[in-house]
Amino acid sequence: AQTVTQSQPEMSVQEAETVTLSCTYDTSESDYYLFWYKQPPSRQMILVIRQEAYKQQNATENRFSVNFQKAAKSFSLKISDSQLGDAAMYFCAYRSAGLTFGEGTQLTVNP
Amino acid sequence: ETGVTQTPRHLVMGMTNKKSLKCEQHLGHNAMYWYKQSAKKPLELMFVYNFKEQTENNSVPSRFSPECPNSSHLFLHLHTLQPEDSALYLCASSLHTGKRNQPQHFGDGTRLSIL
Repeated sequence: AQTVTQSQPEMSVQEAETVTLSCTYDTSESDYYLFWYKQPPSRQMILVIRQEAYKQQNATENRFSVNFQKAAKSFSLKISDSQLGDAAMYFCAYRSAGLTFGEGTQLTVNP
Repeated sequence: ETGVTQTPRHLVMGMTNKKSLKCEQHLGHNAMYWYKQSAKKPLELMFVYNFKEQTENNSVPSRFSPECPNSSHLFLHLHTLQPEDSALYLCASSLHTGKRNQPQHFGDGTRLSIL
């Protein structure tokens, strides 16, 4: 079974600064997909970014990028130029039949 | 608006009641999922349906009974629940389970409280 671990329950960042959220996972599969979702207080889960394991190039979506280290089974999320609207709970997820989620990191953005 | 609608948004019920949660998606997807989100725990996958067929039951107690009459609708029937079942129940959909690179789209969830 796959497991996903987010070791930072809470993080904070100043507006316009950069922050990195950590995620590690464990799997015996060689081909898989990883996702970052955010959940603001409105509680809707919103896709932030995804990464295919067979791609060596790190995924990028505007201010969001990942550092995917397949050998280390690490999948961190970098948020550049942080904005107040980025404040949310961030979940790392591994796609198997459904999604296996990490415990989440609560991100606070300070003005 | 994610295209996935869950009703009701909030539900309070006693342990002996019977109620149902409803999920509807307007995205043309063929896979639908139920997740449970409890305080201080990761989201837990409960059930997976692909083309109306249940493909995954993640050891969920029988007091939770899912139903998928068609690819657009998913229900979770509840009966004789326990206080520890109080949680946010999230529904999601995706193109189909074979397309694992496709993201899941989530509804806003039903906040369930068991008295």
